Amino acid sequence: SAVISQKPSRDICQRGTSLTIQCQVDSQVTMMFWYRQQPGQSLTLIATANQGSEATYESGFVIDKFPISRPNLTFSTLTVSNMSPEDSSIYLCSVGTENTEAFFGQGTRLTVV
Amino acid sequence: AQKVTQAQTEISVVEKEDVTLDCVYETRDTTYYLFWYKQPPSGELVFLIRRNSFDEQNEISGRYSWNFQKSTSSFNFTITASQVVDSAVYFCALENLLGNEKLTFGTGTRLTIIP
Repeated sequence: SAVISQKPSRDICQRGTSLTIQCQVDSQVTMMFWYRQQPGQSLTLIATANQGSEATYESGFVIDKFPISRPNLTFSTLTVSNMSPEDSSIYLCSVGTENTEAFFGQGTRLTVV
Repeated sequence: AQKVTQAQTEISVVEKEDVTLDCVYETRDTTYYLFWYKQPPSGELVFLIRRNSFDEQNEISGRYSWNFQKSTSSFNFTITASQVVDSAVYFCALENLLGNEKLTFGTGTRLTIIP
């Protein structure tokens, strides 16, 4: 199994500012993912965080808005840039390997005011 | 393209009743995993089960059971003798192993157990 620590657990931010969310895993993993869950909605994949190369973004998400870092096999960050109230969501980090479940961090509840 | 449909948006049952949450999926792949997750009000995602596409055996874990039927592309989840602590949003998800292991989630079913 994998234990994922995600920070911060919640934050309230002013519009126009940026927030960086950290995801730390207790073991080396190949795949790390970032999901967004808007209020009352399901989870939507933002991007796959690739170690040593640029993240792979899903349709509707761009690097300028959601820059991602993956400096090693245990750590990743997601930045929500130039925030607006529409960015208020839960952001979740996830890791997975071929032979295990997909593990999720406890999420970051972001409120933009 | 992959798709997961959870047609039941909200379900309410009285405590101790049995309840089944439906999940129907679409994929062109022959190899995939199906998942169920529970999301209590605190927000974290709690893993419940992962099922390989080649394993159609039903599974029972305590009060939980899962019925996987490839013929109807369904992976339904039943809670027996429901309890108030079962109140949560439940998500069904599909993982394509030929891709990069990302999950496609259904829209979730909000289950409320009435004491």
